Amino acid sequence: EDQVTQSPEALRLQEGESSSLNCSYTVSGLRGLFWYRQDPGKGPEFLFTLYSAGEEKEKERLKATLTKKESFLHITAPKPEDSATYLCAVQGARSYNTDKLIFGTGTRLQVFP
Amino acid sequence: NAGVTQTPKFQVLKTGQSMTLQCAQDMNHEYMSWYRQDPGMGLRLIHYSVGAGITDQGEVPNGYNVSRSTTEDFPLRLLSAAPSQTSVYFCASSYSGKETQYFGPGTRLLVL
Repeated sequence: EDQVTQSPEALRLQEGESSSLNCSYTVSGLRGLFWYRQDPGKGPEFLFTLYSAGEEKEKERLKATLTKKESFLHITAPKPEDSATYLCAVQGARSYNTDKLIFGTGTRLQVFP
Repeated sequence: NAGVTQTPKFQVLKTGQSMTLQCAQDMNHEYMSWYRQDPGMGLRLIHYSVGAGITDQGEVPNGYNVSRSTTEDFPLRLLSAAPSQTSVYFCASSYSGKETQYFGPGTRLLVL
């Protein structure tokens, strides 16, 4: 069964303290791995799509990487406005005909000044 | 572009009542879907549509109906609300489901 596990569940960082969020996945035939940011009371906001192991994408202080078993979201010198829940989702061969995304439960990030 | 819009933002229902959650997109996306988000669980797919006139079930379809008469709109109907349907509902769309899906702001539903 396709599965996504995110760790840690929650992370508290001091402003400027770099760290990484982990997304481990088990999927038959990865078609894509997606990172979203979700603010309280809002819908998920798209950040990155990764398609194959070794791929990396960057946006401001965020960098997403992908291996055959996991993805990391690296946050460099975070600011308080980076506080949010970060969601990881995968789409695999089994769900390709339904285009279903399999989501993890997210990592809640808090950045303190 | 307004993107994906959802109404209402918040709704309280009594058990047994019916209602329709509205979703619209102005990006000419063919693929639209409904997810529910519950504490401690990832978003789960309820129903999806690959184009006008075509809908299909997702992971948790029981108690919900959908229709897709236009490309822009994809309403979700609760036939007889139950407390287990208390959740936050998100609509998403993409050009095809195999590309990035963009989410609406959500509808928070409380069933008493």
